[in-house]
Amino acid sequence: NAGVTQTPKFRVLKTGQSMTLLCAQDMNHEYMYWYRQDPGMGLRLIHYSVGEGTTAKGEVPDGYNVSRLKKQNFLLGLESAAPSQTSVYFCASGTGGYTFGSGTRLTVV
Amino acid sequence: QKEVEQDPGPLSVPEGAIVSLNCTYSNSAFQYFMWYRQYSRKGPELLMYTYSSGNKEDGRFTAQVDKSSKYISLFIRDSQPSDSATYLCARGGNFNKFYFGSGTKLNVKP
Repeated sequence: NAGVTQTPKFRVLKTGQSMTLLCAQDMNHEYMYWYRQDPGMGLRLIHYSVGEGTTAKGEVPDGYNVSRLKKQNFLLGLESAAPSQTSVYFCASGTGGYTFGSGTRLTVV
Repeated sequence: QKEVEQDPGPLSVPEGAIVSLNCTYSNSAFQYFMWYRQYSRKGPELLMYTYSSGNKEDGRFTAQVDKSSKYISLFIRDSQPSDSATYLCARGGNFNKFYFGSGTKLNVKP
């Protein structure tokens, strides 16, 4: 009964490197979301998906790409990491109230 | 203007106190709201989910929505040190997207 699982939990990247964050949910939810959380800024929506094979932009999509090839998985990619992408990334799923994952702490140096 | 405004605190209260956490929102088109609790270095966890105006109670927690003033509140009765966390309010939007406040940090002192 895992809920929402995010991997990795921590990562340090050099500027210009790429990486993929994985979110997996076992609750059969159609809707999935990627947020970033920064001090004083709260949670801001990066991208979201309303079902398998669909993706859409949120508030702060620049520099990120996503894919939802399987209903249970939602991937967030950073094409060329920048220091401004240093943040804590949360995946969430559900309708009505969300279930959040435990987060990925990413530092770009 | 941000969709949801929230005082960042920190708010420090003695154990047993009644805590009032507040947010204001700007868009009245969607009338459902959530309150989340987030412990340090953890993901947010859902506390309360409310529609429209009025009160909703769950144990020591009461969520209140005032549509006329675009104000949402969370009250915690008999606060405990374990309630020390950051509390996030959020307003619903289309496609079940939610807009979050920046969070209020609460410290309940034993």
